[in-house]
Amino acid sequence: QVQLVQSGAEVKKPGSSVKVSCKASGGTFSSYAISWVRQAPGQGLEWMGGFIPMFGTANFAQNFQGRVTITTDESTSTAYMDLSSLRSEDTAVYYCARERAYFFDSWGQGTLVTVSS
Amino acid sequence: EIVLTQSPGTLSLSPGERVTLSCRASQSVSSSYLAWYQQKPGQAPRLLIYGAFSRATGIPDRFSGSGSGTDFTLTISRLEPEDFAVYYCQHYGSSLFTFGPGTKVDIK
Repeated sequence: QVQLVQSGAEVKKPGSSVKVSCKASGGTFSSYAISWVRQAPGQGLEWMGGFIPMFGTANFAQNFQGRVTITTDESTSTAYMDLSSLRSEDTAVYYCARERAYFFDSWGQGTLVTVSS
Repeated sequence: EIVLTQSPGTLSLSPGERVTLSCRASQSVSSSYLAWYQQKPGQAPRLLIYGAFSRATGIPDRFSGSGSGTDFTLTISRLEPEDFAVYYCQHYGSSLFTFGPGTKVDIK
């Protein structure tokens, strides 16, 4: 079973960027895709995008195209999500999750990102 | 893009009751691409059902999934105290993932 451990909470100013990390243990990191899903306070789940290290390809939800970057470091089995031009509406818990075919079978613990002036 | 609708928004039930949660897709989808998750307050979602019918590892058999086309159902045969949570359906298609808005099951 893959375990995903994310970086800690962040407080950011509007207009800045945030980078959240997700370190995997177990399994072969390059063989599976990692997605990022966010959840605004009291709201539902929103898929942002995913990255497949083996192919070096990424897919993004339309809402986030151009504003989110997903990268990986295979040497440390870590995935990163970089979200730019932050606004107050980006305040949310951000989760990484392992894609297993067409669903997510392992999730990180979540990282709270607060955007406030 | 597929849109998922879940109903009802909230269900108030007692332990021991049978629960049926609905997930409706805006167009017909393959059952292979439909999953269900449970989320408790302060926790990450947990995979319950994938491929519309298959229980994930460690999921009790009181959880079952069914459906096809545009209508899918998650059934909990007998509610346990730990089952009070929010339930989301999720679809994969055209390299994109979509979640439904969720159904909250709370204690009556």
